[in-house]
Amino acid sequence: QSVLTQPPSVSGAPGQRVTISCAGSSSNIGAGYDVHWYQQLPDTAPRLLIFDNIYRPSRVPDRFSGSKSGTSASLAITGLQAEDEADYYCQSYDNSLSGSVFGTGTKVTVL
Amino acid sequence: QMQFQESGPGLVKPSQTLSLTCAVSGDSINTGGFSWSWIRQNPGKGLEWIGHINYLGATSYSPSLKSRVSISQDTTKNQFSLRLSSVTAADTGVYYCARSPLVLLAFDIWGQGTLVTVSS
Repeated sequence: QSVLTQPPSVSGAPGQRVTISCAGSSSNIGAGYDVHWYQQLPDTAPRLLIFDNIYRPSRVPDRFSGSKSGTSASLAITGLQAEDEADYYCQSYDNSLSGSVFGTGTKVTVL
Repeated sequence: QMQFQESGPGLVKPSQTLSLTCAVSGDSINTGGFSWSWIRQNPGKGLEWIGHINYLGATSYSPSLKSRVSISQDTTKNQFSLRLSSVTAADTGVYYCARSPLVLLAFDIWGQGTLVTVSS
């Protein structure tokens, strides 16, 4: 029942730049709620990658960056590395559901 | 550093109640300014927020699960718990507990997750 839509997959060669979109609506991203991003490596729990649209926890490399505009947000990975191969999820708050909502998830493949 | 550990039965029969506990170490769940959530992931699928309880004991649940879910906390044991009634195969998945600072609304600390299978 994800209300945030992401592309199922994106891929790129090592060193390239990839972006992941997160499309929401007027009850979540468009209402001004912040967007957060998570990285989930195979068989591990998700970890916070980007919070409040653009900020990185100190342990996260600056190759990862986030942005938000209108009813959507994006995650960019520059200088793609093999270790970036994972699933990525966006998350926000939805006032019509009165709770947190996640994106559909995007699998990043490093060619 | 705060850490979470989920525990509970790995196998639950259909129509029964799923019960999980998240034991917290490294800090107290009584610390103001946080909410404590349960999130699940069906096999091969995405993440779904189930609900949370905050440091005051107030709860909020996903509308799709609200009629079947209950989250509680035991501050003396520094843990919080999930109960999901009338389970079906659709409730099979990995269940995570996580922390969210109230000023952030993001999940900054996660447990490792526990797999629950609903099957007779």
